[in-house]
Amino acid sequence: GAVVSQHPSRVICKSGTSVKIECRSLDFQATTMFWYRQFPKQSLMLMATSNEGSKATYEQGVEKDKFLINHASLTLSTLTVTSAHPEDSSFYICSARNPDRGQNVYEQYFGPGTRLTVT
Amino acid sequence: GENVEQHPSTLSVQEGDSAVIKCTYSDSASNYFPWYKQELGKRPQLIIDIRSNVGEKKDQRIAVTLNKTAKHFSLHITETQPEDSAVYFCAARRQVDTGRRALTFGSGTRLQVQP
Repeated sequence: GAVVSQHPSRVICKSGTSVKIECRSLDFQATTMFWYRQFPKQSLMLMATSNEGSKATYEQGVEKDKFLINHASLTLSTLTVTSAHPEDSSFYICSARNPDRGQNVYEQYFGPGTRLTVT
Repeated sequence: GENVEQHPSTLSVQEGDSAVIKCTYSDSASNYFPWYKQELGKRPQLIIDIRSNVGEKKDQRIAVTLNKTAKHFSLHITETQPEDSAVYFCAARRQVDTGRRALTFGSGTRLQVQP
């Protein structure tokens, strides 16, 4: 299979604090992981592409100093929301491809998401 | 970059009827087109996908068609059931071997199947 996990599933933090979200590929190695943000009743918006061993590539309009991404190993990428504000409250989802899936190598699998609420 | 438009935003059908969701894309180099189903508060689940070398693909009650010339693709669900109720997203991507390209998603269609 191709399982992607995320932790935590829910987090509530106070404005001004930082929150770290972990994304793990459980049964495969992912050189690239993607971080998306989804506001209520809206689509998934790509925030950044996380590359193992190198800097992340951020989408236009996404502040790299606010959303710190670290892809330290082939199975783990972290997203840290620094100095969180209420407008950062959202559903954050990571995803990855399994490069060893043969005919299914195109498929992209999603983590269960992390619901962040900033009070 | 890629831009994906999806219609309709909401769709209500009676159980047993068919549902069709349509998407258009802008990047002619895109060659991979998946469809995801997302239930409230859960992760998107891949339900079917199609590559640009294929015009149609079917999996039981679900089918996807692709028109490369017109740059649009559609999801067809036949014999709809209440459990098909969810938000459906289309997506597009230019596939490269490095896998470094992310999917670009449509805006989503909220499908409601009335029993």
